[in-house]
Amino acid sequence: GESVGLHLPTLSVQEGDNSIINCAYSNSASDYFIWYKQESGKGPQFIIDIRSNMDKRQGQRVTVLLNKTVKHLSLQIAATQPGDSAVYFCAEKDSNTQKLVFGQGTRLTINP
Amino acid sequence: SAVISQKPSRDICQRGTSLTIQCQVDSQVTMMFWYRQQPGQSLTLIATANQGSEATYESGFVIDKFPISRPNLTFSTLTVSNMSPEDSSIYLCSVEVWQNTEAFFGQGTRLTVV
Repeated sequence: GESVGLHLPTLSVQEGDNSIINCAYSNSASDYFIWYKQESGKGPQFIIDIRSNMDKRQGQRVTVLLNKTVKHLSLQIAATQPGDSAVYFCAEKDSNTQKLVFGQGTRLTINP
Repeated sequence: SAVISQKPSRDICQRGTSLTIQCQVDSQVTMMFWYRQQPGQSLTLIATANQGSEATYESGFVIDKFPISRPNLTFSTLTVSNMSPEDSSIYLCSVEVWQNTEAFFGQGTRLTVV
């Protein structure tokens, strides 16, 4: 079956440093990937997405990298701020079923 | 993007009762979904809410337990029926404005069953 998992459940970084959150997926039919940020008591918030015909996409302070060869996805956050503290989820969409499957989540903590 | 309003934001319910959660979107959307997020866990898809027809349920979820309505392109409800403490969770409404684009989420309904 398909699965999306994260290498690390927690990540602590110093304010101002860059952070990298990793995600592995197993479904070869997935062609669309999304990163979400979830703060306590809130629903997931869309951060950035990438389709399988790309290997890199940049947003404001965030970059998503996709390596289809090894089925790996990463989210890079530059110059982290206290407001970046949250749980981050990767999600993949199966091109056949059109269903979004979420990874386990990584809790990012920014230390002052 | 889409702005999603979910009601109620939280509730404490007695076991054996039912709760209906409402999801209202500020614009017409093609796809609406309902997810469950158990404490400290990731999101699991319950069903796809189909406009004008029966919802499509994922494995492990059945219509008798989680009846869903979607009367139009901006509104859906999820009912959690005959609740037990195991149903304590966050229930989230999600929409795609256009198919195969990013999904947006409501703020969720935090349900506690006692």
